Order: sequence, then structure tokens, then C-alpha cells
Amino acid sequence: RKEVEQDPGPFNVPEGATVAFNCTYSNSASQSFFWYRQDCRKEPKLLMSVYSSGNEDGRFTAQLNRASQYISLLIRDSKLSDSATYLCVVIPNTGFQKLVFGTGTRLLVSP
Amino acid sequence: DTGVSQDPRHKITKRGQNVTFRCDPISEHNRLYWYRQTLGQGPEFLTYFQNEAQLEKSRLLSDRFSAERPKGSFSTLEIQRTEQGDSAMYLCASSLELGQGNFYEQYFGPGTRLTVT
Repeated sequence: RKEVEQDPGPFNVPEGATVAFNCTYSNSASQSFFWYRQDCRKEPKLLMSVYSSGNEDGRFTAQLNRASQYISLLIRDSKLSDSATYLCVVIPNTGFQKLVFGTGTRLLVSP
Repeated sequence: DTGVSQDPRHKITKRGQNVTFRCDPISEHNRLYWYRQTLGQGPEFLTYFQNEAQLEKSRLLSDRFSAERPKGSFSTLEIQRTEQGDSAMYLCASSLELGQGNFYEQYFGPGTRLTVT
């Protein structure tokens, strides 16, 4: 079983739609959680950290459920520029900050 | 540009040849990470350095792979006797980590895309 699992998509949505991505992680001792964004043939970039209390950054809301080992990302009012791959990332409790990535979920926002 | 840089950006090589990639981290960043990303997958951790010391290596890093970070600045990743399965994007990331318990963002370079024919 992979440490971090995501639906690879693609998710095809029209502009203005709300879309939600989920991922699950297998290591219950994992300590930190993030969403990264990766544009085609580019490097990953940090989108936001994820906390149990939930956090919001503009149109983006992330949530962590430690009991279910489940992480979510909600994007409201999708823009064409949101088209990218969204990578769920976990830092396991290994003593150093090794990022463990999911396969990524591809989002395509169309006019 | 003060971000992480990698060279070359693209490398095509024949099976059995040796290749070397370079990563220049953000100045003053003490940690440097190497990841590998194949098509349709997320990046996978290979190894990391704290200054010049290589502190952790993944099982993915076979004995054909070697990484160095002399003087704690730039890093090189060498692959000997390349195989077609080595074809991937090799990503370097750096961070300034001042202690345990906090998250320190890793900044990624643009990657080196390796194609082994």
C-alpha cells in the first residue's frame, strides 16, 4: 500500500465550479501535512499547510482528519489558472523533513 | 534569480553511460534534498544533506547512484551505468532548517529531465 494515496483524476470542471480533492495516508504517526501544486513540466510549489482545525487561504480550504487519516482540499470559484496537478504531501515521523508525495490529482478548468 | 537552480535541464544519454547533475541551492540554505519523479507519479525522496554531510539515503538509491555536497554548497548527483529505468525528472530542493519541531519549506529547483535510450 502506498504511504499517500490520491485519485489521479483528471477532474474536469467549468470555471466557477467548486471542486474537492481527497487523499489518505497510511502512517498514523505522520506529523505534518501539505498540499503542493505542480504545473505541467514544472517543479512542485507549496500551496498550503493542512491542520486539524482546518485552514483557508482565499478560495482554498484544507482540512485534516487524523482519526480517519484523511486530508482534503476544496477549491471554490475555480479559475482557468487553477489547472494543475495537486499533490498531497505528508512528513512521516522519521526525524527529518522527508516529503512523501501522493501521485497527484490533475485538475482541468475549462471556460 | 536567487532560487534553486539545476543543470542541465535536459539530458539524453545512452544506456550504460554515466551522467552527473548539479544543483545550486538557495544561498545559506543548510539542507539539500534530491527527489526523483517519473511520469504520472509524485516525487520520491532519494537523499538529503545537512551542510556537507549526507544523512539519509532511500532504498531507491542503488549503488549506481552517488551524491555529494562538498563544502556544503552545491550538490552533484551521479548515475553510473545508466539504465532505461533511470529515465525520470530529478528534482533538487533546499531549505533553511533551524531546529526540530517546525516545518521549514523546501524550495524546489526546475529539475533535470533524464532520458536513457
